Amino acid sequence: QQPVQSPQAVILREGEDAVINCSSSKALYSVHWYRQKHGEAPVFLMILLKGGEQKGHEKISASFNEKKQQSSLYLTASQLSYSGTYFCGTDPPGGGADGLTFGKGTHLIIQP
Amino acid sequence: NAGVTQTPKFQVLKTGQSMTLQCAQDMNHNSMYWYRQDPGMGLRLIYYSASEGTTDKGEVPNGYNVSRLNKREFSLRLESAAPSQTSVYFCASSATPRDTQYFGPGTRLTVL
Repeated sequence: QQPVQSPQAVILREGEDAVINCSSSKALYSVHWYRQKHGEAPVFLMILLKGGEQKGHEKISASFNEKKQQSSLYLTASQLSYSGTYFCGTDPPGGGADGLTFGKGTHLIIQP
Repeated sequence: NAGVTQTPKFQVLKTGQSMTLQCAQDMNHNSMYWYRQDPGMGLRLIYYSASEGTTDKGEVPNGYNVSRLNKREFSLRLESAAPSQTSVYFCASSATPRDTQYFGPGTRLTVL
């Protein structure tokens, strides 16, 4: 089942902080975060694994609450380059041959 | 190391025409995927191939067929294009179904 992302869209001024949430109705083994700029392909940012291990991007952090089946992506002191659509992709504990299930995305606009 | 490549980048078809979208990866990945992306719908899985020699339907397979030609290549065929298939098509690959997916640059298809 598709994870739910919130908010759907957010507009910030450069330097402000943003939080993007991803919630699943199923138990999760891992959550993957991607960013897609307009007209481009999604690019991998970060993976969060059950047990707390985090791998990925230097300037963006994330958390994974296994009990609540939620993940949050934190963008602090946002830069213009952070603009784009952010997707979470989820993977249940049993896995699946069909890979990750993606949310519908959160549109982030950073204004100067 | 090109990653995931897709051809063509743009295509315009008339209703009823057929075409094949090509995808290749040079990362020695086992799993490959085809998605379509429409405004507000996120990434929807059309077909996937968990490993060489296997293919299976995703969320929106109607009107499409796929071929996993070898470990590197995974093609998507539209037998009789319809205007509802106007979309951006992304190919992706991952080492296993549970791993991070890497996306190609996309094919922008318009069906008139």
